Amino acid sequence: AQSVTQLGSHVSVSEGALVLLRCNYSSSVPPYLFWYVQYPNQGLQLLLKYTSAATLVKGINGFEAEFKKSETSFHLTKPSAHMSDAAEYFCAVSDLMFSGGYNKLIFGAGTRLAVHP
Amino acid sequence: DAMVIQNPRYQVTQFGKPVTLSCSQTLNHNVMYWYQQKSSQAPKLLFHYYDKDFNNEADTPDNFQSRRPNTSFCFLDIRSPGLGDAAMYLCATSRDQTASGEQYFGPGTRLTVT
Repeated sequence: AQSVTQLGSHVSVSEGALVLLRCNYSSSVPPYLFWYVQYPNQGLQLLLKYTSAATLVKGINGFEAEFKKSETSFHLTKPSAHMSDAAEYFCAVSDLMFSGGYNKLIFGAGTRLAVHP
Repeated sequence: DAMVIQNPRYQVTQFGKPVTLSCSQTLNHNVMYWYQQKSSQAPKLLFHYYDKDFNNEADTPDNFQSRRPNTSFCFLDIRSPGLGDAAMYLCATSRDQTASGEQYFGPGTRLTVT
């Protein structure tokens, strides 16, 4: 079974500082990995996804993530935090169930990012 | 713009009173999902439809039902809401069932049970 671990339920950075949100996965097969962002009282919005093409994936709002198979990691970074980046971030792995063949997202517990002036 | 729409955004119901949440999509996607998200937790998949084929997660309580009358609409019925069912309910869609396919989420319906 696949699983996702997000290290740090809360991360706080200064505006303009580097953002690093950590995600490790476990999977017996090459995974598909996603980062979603959720603003208060909103649904989830896709930031970026890894689907076995380039290991460095660029997403929206200046975010990027690097797939490292040797470390089973898919950490999310942004060089310079903005106040508007304050939100909840979820890492997810796709689990294609062989018996049913459907796309099931396994989410990490989430990391709440705070950005202070 | 193509999108996933959820109505209402906020719903208050009484303990034990049936409630229905609505989701519609203009993406013409084959798959529709319902998630439950409690405060400060990750979304938890309740069930999904691939076209008209319904797939229930093993740990979804019987109190939760769903209907998909056509491609565009999907409903979540909670037959007898308990206080523990207060949560954000998220609808999502995907084009198909490939593992690389992203899911598109609606804004959610926040359910309060009094």
